[in-house]
Amino acid sequence: SQTIHQWPATLVQPVGSPLSLECTVEGTSNPNLYWYRQAAGRGLQLLFYSVGIGQISSEVPQNLSASRPQDRQFILSSKKLLLSDSGFYLCAWSWKYPQGTQYFGPGTRLLVL
Amino acid sequence: QQQVKQSPQSLIVQKGGISIINCAYENTAFDYFPWYQQFPGKGPALLIAIRPDVSEKKEGRFTISFNKSAKQFSLHIMDSQPGDSATYFCAALVLGTYKYIFGTGTRLKVLA
Repeated sequence: SQTIHQWPATLVQPVGSPLSLECTVEGTSNPNLYWYRQAAGRGLQLLFYSVGIGQISSEVPQNLSASRPQDRQFILSSKKLLLSDSGFYLCAWSWKYPQGTQYFGPGTRLLVL
Repeated sequence: QQQVKQSPQSLIVQKGGISIINCAYENTAFDYFPWYQQFPGKGPALLIAIRPDVSEKKEGRFTISFNKSAKQFSLHIMDSQPGDSATYFCAALVLGTYKYIFGTGTRLKVLA
């Protein structure tokens, strides 16, 4: 069976500090990978998605970036965090064929102070 | 712009009642319509999903109704229970892509 991991679970960072959130998937190969942000009480905002190693599509221009150094590893980064970067960050994966369900990780709660 | 509009924003239902959440889309190029359930502090989990060639799908107490001509789909939760209290999201897969568009969510509270 497939499992998706995210860490850390919770992070408190000062404004201007760097960020690195990691997501890994087990039990599948060549998945599509996604990063979402969810503000408190709000919906899911797609930030990035990747269909393969080194292939990143950015959906929202901002001070975040994503990388996929390995097939089942997806990293969300920032060089300098803003207050507005606070939120709940969710990683998700899906099969390529057939296209269908996304499976979400447990999330990382980020608070920028 | 591709959008999925979800309503209501919040819903209170008595135990044993029917919860109904609606979603509508404007772009016809959607291919797959999942519903997710999210508890506080957790990631969303797939509840039930439907493809546009099917008008209804039922799994236990959960039913999706899909109206292709009206570009609407809805989630019905029969015999709602306090354990169903959560936030529900509809979503749509953009045809020919791997990109999903999510609704804004409905916070459901089922009273005991």
